[in-house]
Amino acid sequence: GAVVSQHPSRVICKSGTSVKIECRSLDFQATTMFWYRQFPKQSLMLMATSNEGSKATYEQGVEKDKFLINHASLTLSTLTVTSAHPEDSSFYICSARVRTSGGEQFFGPGTRLTVL
Amino acid sequence: GENVEQHPSTLSVQEGDSAVIKCTYSDSASNYFPWYKQELGKRPQLIIDIRSNVGEKKDQRIAVTLNKTAKHFSLHITETQPEDSAVYFCAGGEYGNKLVFGAGTILRVKS
Repeated sequence: GAVVSQHPSRVICKSGTSVKIECRSLDFQATTMFWYRQFPKQSLMLMATSNEGSKATYEQGVEKDKFLINHASLTLSTLTVTSAHPEDSSFYICSARVRTSGGEQFFGPGTRLTVL
Repeated sequence: GENVEQHPSTLSVQEGDSAVIKCTYSDSASNYFPWYKQELGKRPQLIIDIRSNVGEKKDQRIAVTLNKTAKHFSLHITETQPEDSAVYFCAGGEYGNKLVFGAGTILRVKS
């Protein structure tokens, strides 16, 4: 149980375009999902906390107008990178917290974004 | 906010030896400390976690210790095997809320 999927696994796009990444909890309901960015050989940096039915909470330094997060249901959160630039190229990983339990976060497989 | 520091950044051990990775945290409100193992290009996998109401937790070859007074916690892997080679991340935060991750430790187990 507690499986989280992400789609797509890899995406290459041109500079200036927008990219949407989906994060789904497959066998549980997730009140809260988290979005992280991981640059090569670096740690996971939390970008935002996504709560179902409410606005996301962004970490300091993360542009909310550039990284749009929507958590429309208890099983789906989306991250849209708007007007992507090469410096946005990174590994984006989501995690989800099981609604009925406490602290453990289950991670998705990640999405490798490359902006040309 | 919370700040988590992790040491060492790389660790090489001989197969069968023990490995210890240490982390410190800054926010006394943090009460949940998970450890994740991440292989190249894959998702982080939770290997063990500890809450602040206990000082030690063990699961087979893996153990975690927590010192709330000193605000540090450690991961101990005994009888290391080549398949333990990966990047290990500690994290800290309030149970059920966001986590702050350490910088990671590259563990290499030499056979």
